[in-house]
Amino acid sequence: SQTIHQWPATLVQPVGSPLSLECTVEGTSNPNLYWYRQAAGRGLQLLFYSVGIGQISSEVPQNLSASRPQDRQFILSSKKLLLSDSGFYLCAWSHRQGKNQPQHFGDGTRLSIL
Amino acid sequence: AQKVTQAQTEISVVEKEDVTLDCVYETRDTTYYLFWYKQPPSGELVFLIRRNSFDEQNEISGRYSWNFQKSTSSFNFTITASQVVDSAVYFCALSGHAGNNRKLIWGLGTSLAVNP
Repeated sequence: SQTIHQWPATLVQPVGSPLSLECTVEGTSNPNLYWYRQAAGRGLQLLFYSVGIGQISSEVPQNLSASRPQDRQFILSSKKLLLSDSGFYLCAWSHRQGKNQPQHFGDGTRLSIL
Repeated sequence: AQKVTQAQTEISVVEKEDVTLDCVYETRDTTYYLFWYKQPPSGELVFLIRRNSFDEQNEISGRYSWNFQKSTSSFNFTITASQVVDSAVYFCALSGHAGNNRKLIWGLGTSLAVNP
């Protein structure tokens, strides 16, 4: 069965510090991968998605970047965090084959910027 | 443009009551898919169901049932005999067939509180 691991679960960082959140998927190959942010108002905002190694699509201009160095690894980064980067970050995967496959989510990372 | 509306921001019920969460969508695609997800207080999003636009049969899974009405562009979710463990935020989502079907269009969610 497939599993998705996301870490850390919580993170407190000062403004201006760098960020690296990691997500890995097991039990499947060539998944689509996604990074979302969920602010306090509950809405889910798609930040990045990837259909393959080194292929990243950015949905909104922001202070964050994503990379996919390996097939089942997706990393969310920032060089300098802003207060507005606080939120709940969720990684997800879906099967690449077949259309409109459901996305399956990790447990999320709660990021607080001080 | 595609859009998902969950008009109920918060619902509060007493245990054992039935509750229906509404979802209305907009799309120009003739083929599309609808989803429901549950987000309990712990935070992870749990996939509940996917339904394609050609299948209007209602679906039942235990205490959960889904009513897909193409005529009213709705995909409502009913929990029968609610339990405290059903307390969560529930999201409805849509993905189209044409263009980029990898992305989901999300509603803002309905927060359900089931009180003992």
